[in-house]
Order: sequence, then C-alpha cells, then structure tokens
Amino acid sequence: QKEVEQNSGPLSVPEGAIASLNCTYSDRVSQSFFWYRQYSGKSPELIMSIYSNGDKEDGRFTAQLNKASQYVSLLIRDSQPSDSATYLCAVGDTGRRALTFGSGTRLQVQP
Amino acid sequence: SAVISQKPSRDICQRGTSLTIQCQVDSQVTMMFWYRQQPGQSLTLIATANQGSEATYESGFVIDKFPISRPNLTFSTLTVSNMSPEDSSIYLCSVEVNSGNTIYFGEGSWLTVV
Repeated sequence: QKEVEQNSGPLSVPEGAIASLNCTYSDRVSQSFFWYRQYSGKSPELIMSIYSNGDKEDGRFTAQLNKASQYVSLLIRDSQPSDSATYLCAVGDTGRRALTFGSGTRLQVQP
Repeated sequence: SAVISQKPSRDICQRGTSLTIQCQVDSQVTMMFWYRQQPGQSLTLIATANQGSEATYESGFVIDKFPISRPNLTFSTLTVSNMSPEDSSIYLCSVEVNSGNTIYFGEGSWLTVV
C-alpha cells in the first residue's frame, strides 16, 4: 500500500516569512512528485512538479526532492495571506499513472 | 494544461437515488481519472476511466456503485448509484496532460446526500 504522509497542521507563519511544508512517501519506485494547493471550497490546483533530486524553483516556490530519504518539501518564500490554503503532496509512478495524495497540510499566513 | 468542465457543480440528492456527473475536456487526453474527496479528507482515487473499455477500479470501489463511461478521448461520466449520506463528497474529474503524471483537476462536483 503506497503511503504519502504530511503533517496536517495548521502551520502558521507571519506574512513575509518562509513557509516550509514537508512530505514523506513509502514507495521507492515513485518517480514523480507534485504539490497542489487547495483553497477552501475549491478543487486542487497544481503549483509544482519535480522529478529528480535537488531543488526546483518557480517564483516564490521551491520544491526539494531527496529520493534516498523519500522526502519532498515545498518552500514558499515571502509568504502572503493569499497563500493560506491546504497544500497537498502527491506522488506518482509511470506504471500506475495516477497519483497518490497525502492528507494535506493547512497553511495559515498571518498578516 | 487543459480546460476540464464538470457538471453538475453542486447538487443535493435524495438517499437511494443515483446521479451522473459529466466531465468534458477541451482536448484529447489519454488518461482520465475520477477522485473522491470526503469532507475534511484528502483525495482518493476511485478509478481510471479507459476509453472504449471498462474502467479500472481501485480497491474499495466497485462498478455497481460507481459505473463509469468513457466513449471518447474528451468525455467521461461517473455515476454514483443508490446514494447514502456517506457518499456526500466532492467528486473530481482529472486528466493527465502530456506525460510524466502531470494531472489537472476539474472544478469538482459537490454532492450532498440527504
């Protein structure tokens, strides 16, 4: 059974700070990793994907992947109140082609 | 990405009835999936909708309860049959765009069973 684990939070950070969201996964053959943002009452929105070890930056977002440790993280720099949402970590493999989701971390950015 | 339209967006349903959710994509896609998100929970894959053949269901989901059709590469339906209050959820259509497991979601269908 593939598992994706996230701390449910809430993670509370002040405006302008760096928010760090973490995720671990159980299946070593996982090859693709995603972060989705979900606002209350909305469907998930893809914000980052990462496939190889290291960092990937996109604007204020940085995804970090460490396959040896089976760990993926998302950093949000200069956090804004509009970043307040639930962040879902998702993991995929080419064989299955669907994604397994974690339970999500709720982020609160305090003005 | 792709534009994914779902209907209905929201509905209140009577216990014991069935409801069909439609998903329309603005481009041909190979992979389409149906997920469920129960209140306060994360997303659980119901099934992969296969074009021209029976859907592939995940453990815990069966065709009699969640029949799925996919007549072509841009359209799919999910029916929630003989609904009970436990079926109150968001049902999400999703598609894989390009390769590499990149999956996008429709806006969801919010069902409440009373």
